[in-house]
Amino acid sequence: QVQLQESGPGLVKPSQTLSLTCTVSGGSINSGGHYWSWIRQYPGKHLEWIGYFYYRGNLYYNPSLKSRLTISIDRSKNQFSLSLSAVTAADTAVYYCARDAVGARGAGGVDYWGQGTLVTVSS
Amino acid sequence: QSALTQPASVSGSPGQSITIFCTGTSSDVGAYNYVSWYQQHPGKAPKLIIYDVNNRPSGVSNRFSGSKSGNTASLTISGLQAEDEADFFCSSFTRAYTRIFGGGTKLTVL
Repeated sequence: QVQLQESGPGLVKPSQTLSLTCTVSGGSINSGGHYWSWIRQYPGKHLEWIGYFYYRGNLYYNPSLKSRLTISIDRSKNQFSLSLSAVTAADTAVYYCARDAVGARGAGGVDYWGQGTLVTVSS
Repeated sequence: QSALTQPASVSGSPGQSITIFCTGTSSDVGAYNYVSWYQQHPGKAPKLIIYDVNNRPSGVSNRFSGSKSGNTASLTISGLQAEDEADFFCSSFTRAYTRIFGGGTKLTVL
C-alpha cells in the first residue's frame, strides 16, 4: 500500500518561499510508470493541480505557477519536494502530494493522496 | 488552463439516482479517455472513485458509474445513501500532459 506524507512549515510570510517535502513509502518513485504530484486545495474547496514529474524524471508544471515553481526529486530518500517562491495570501491552501496513475496499466487517476498539510501565508 | 465546469450543488433523496456533469474542452475531457472522479468528505483527502471515464478502483461501490460524450463527462450515483453526501470533483488529463480539475459539486442527500 503506497503512502505519502507531506512535511514542512505551516506558516510562511508573504514574498518568501514555500517549501514542502513528500515522503513516499510502500512504493518507489523510481519505477512503475507513475507521475508524482503536488495538488492544492483552497479554503473554498477548489482543487488546483500544481505539477508533477514522471518516474523517468520529466517535469510538468501548471502554466499559471511555472515562473515561481520548482519540483525536485531525491531518489535516494524516495522523496520529492515543492518550492513556490514569492508567495502571497492567495497561496494559502491545503497542499497534497499524490501519485497519479494516468495511463498506467490497470490503474488511473490520482489514486493515492497524502493527508494534506495546511500552509498559511501571513505576516 | 481553466477549470472544468461542474454544477455547484446537486441533491437527491435516499434511494434515488443523481448525475453530475463535468464539461471541458477538446484539449482535455474530449482529448483522451482519462477522466476521473473523486469523492471528498469534510476534513479528508479526496478519494478516487472512477478512473479512465468508467472504471472503478477496487473497493468502490458499483453504485458509482461514469461515462463521457464529447467534451462532457458524467458521474451517476444510484441508490443514494446518506454516506454519499460529500463533495465530488472531476478531473482530466490534458493534451499538454498536465491535469485539470473541476470546481467541485456538493451532493446533499435529503
